Amino acid sequence: SQQGEEDPQALSIQEGENATMNCSYKTSINNLQWYRQNSGRGLVHLILIRSNEREKHSGRLRVTLDTSKKSSSLLITASRAADTASYFCATVEYGNKLVFGAGTILRVKS
Amino acid sequence: EPEVTQTPSHQVTQMGQEVILRCVPISNHLYFYWYRQILGQKVEFLVSFYNNEISEKSEIFDDQFSVERPDGSNFTLKIRSTKLEDSAMYFCASLYRGWFFGPGTRLLVL
Repeated sequence: SQQGEEDPQALSIQEGENATMNCSYKTSINNLQWYRQNSGRGLVHLILIRSNEREKHSGRLRVTLDTSKKSSSLLITASRAADTASYFCATVEYGNKLVFGAGTILRVKS
Repeated sequence: EPEVTQTPSHQVTQMGQEVILRCVPISNHLYFYWYRQILGQKVEFLVSFYNNEISEKSEIFDDQFSVERPDGSNFTLKIRSTKLEDSAMYFCASLYRGWFFGPGTRLLVL
C-alpha cells in the first residue's frame, strides 16, 4: 500500500494567499512529518505531528492530523515567493523507515 | 548546527560503470538511510543501516547495490554496474531524535 499521498499535485497561488496541502495515509502511524524540497535540492524537515496531537503550529505553518480519517493537512499562511517548493508528507513504518508521498508542487507568484 | 553532508553533488557516469556515493552522517546518530528520487517522482526508501549492518532494504536495493560504513564516519552507497534507470537524486539521512537529510547527489547515467 502507498502511504502519504498528497493532494493537490500542484498548487499555484498569489503571494499573500494561504496554501493548503493535504495528505492521506493507509496504516496506523506514530507520527506524520512534512518536508520541503526546493527544486533539485535536499529535503528540509518542517514539522512533525504525533498521533495523539490534532494540531500543531510553527511560524506560518499549521498542521492538522485526523487519525480517524487517516489524513493530515499543511497550511502555509501569508505565502511568500520563497515558499515555492515541493512539499511532502512522510510517515514512519516499522523499522524507523520514512515513507514519502508523491508531493505537492507549490508555486507562489509575486 | 550539525548537518549531513554528501559528495559528490553531481556525478555523470557511463552505463555499466561502478559509482560510489558518499555521505557523512551526523556523528552521534545511530541509524543511516539511503533514499532516491527519480526526477519528478516521490522519494523512495532504498536501505537502512544500524549497528554496522543492513536492517532493512527495499525491492529496489538489489544485488547491484551495497552499503558500507568503512571508518565509523563515512556511509557509502555503491552501485556496481549502473543502468540508465539508476539516474536519480540520492539522499543520505541519519536518525537520532529526528531525521536529517543530506543535500543529495544527482547521478546521471548515460
